[in-house]
Amino acid sequence: GDSVTQMEGPVTLSEEAFLTINCTYTATGYPSLFWYVQYPGEGLQLLLKATKADDKGSNKGFEATYRKETTSFHLEKGSVQVSDSAVYFCALSEGGGADGLTFGKGTHLIIQP
Amino acid sequence: DVKVTQSSRYLVKRTGEKVFLECVQDMDHENMFWYRQDPGLGLRLIYFSYDVKMKEKGDIPEGYSVSREKKERFSLILESASTNQTSMYLCASSSETGALNTEAFFGQGTRLTVV
Repeated sequence: GDSVTQMEGPVTLSEEAFLTINCTYTATGYPSLFWYVQYPGEGLQLLLKATKADDKGSNKGFEATYRKETTSFHLEKGSVQVSDSAVYFCALSEGGGADGLTFGKGTHLIIQP
Repeated sequence: DVKVTQSSRYLVKRTGEKVFLECVQDMDHENMFWYRQDPGLGLRLIYFSYDVKMKEKGDIPEGYSVSREKKERFSLILESASTNQTSMYLCASSSETGALNTEAFFGQGTRLTVV
């Protein structure tokens, strides 16, 4: 079945550092890929998405590129802020939305001032 | 603002109790989902529904049931709560069955503790 693998952390960085959170996936077809973010005490919010190979999703300074050849969707940000501290989930959807998302285990990101 | 609302943020229940977790969405979405979130395990799909009165098992349905009598409401039922069901429960909804880029909208979660 489908699966998503991501680094679990916690990942601790200083403010203004460069961020990469790796995500790789296994899927039988051609999934859509997502990054969700969960701030403390809240539910998940969509951060960005990509629906086909070589698509780049971007939002709030974060970017991720759908790489079919390496089955990856790594999340990057050039300069992180304390407010980026959260848990980040990589996810895929292959069943046309109705079957739900398959999530990675989440990466806890801590940004220190 | 689009919204998925879960009826409780925190619940404490006793072992053996029947527990209802309620979720309402105001986006006229066809699809609704229940996940549980546990440290080190991420989110796991319990049940989902793609239409009123329809339900499908997810990855971990044992010990749970669901009800979808109206399009906007999706209830998760723990028939006899056990301590291993202590968890964060997240409801989500999405539209357009068949659309591959469907975004899911999440509620704020219900942290359930079974004692």
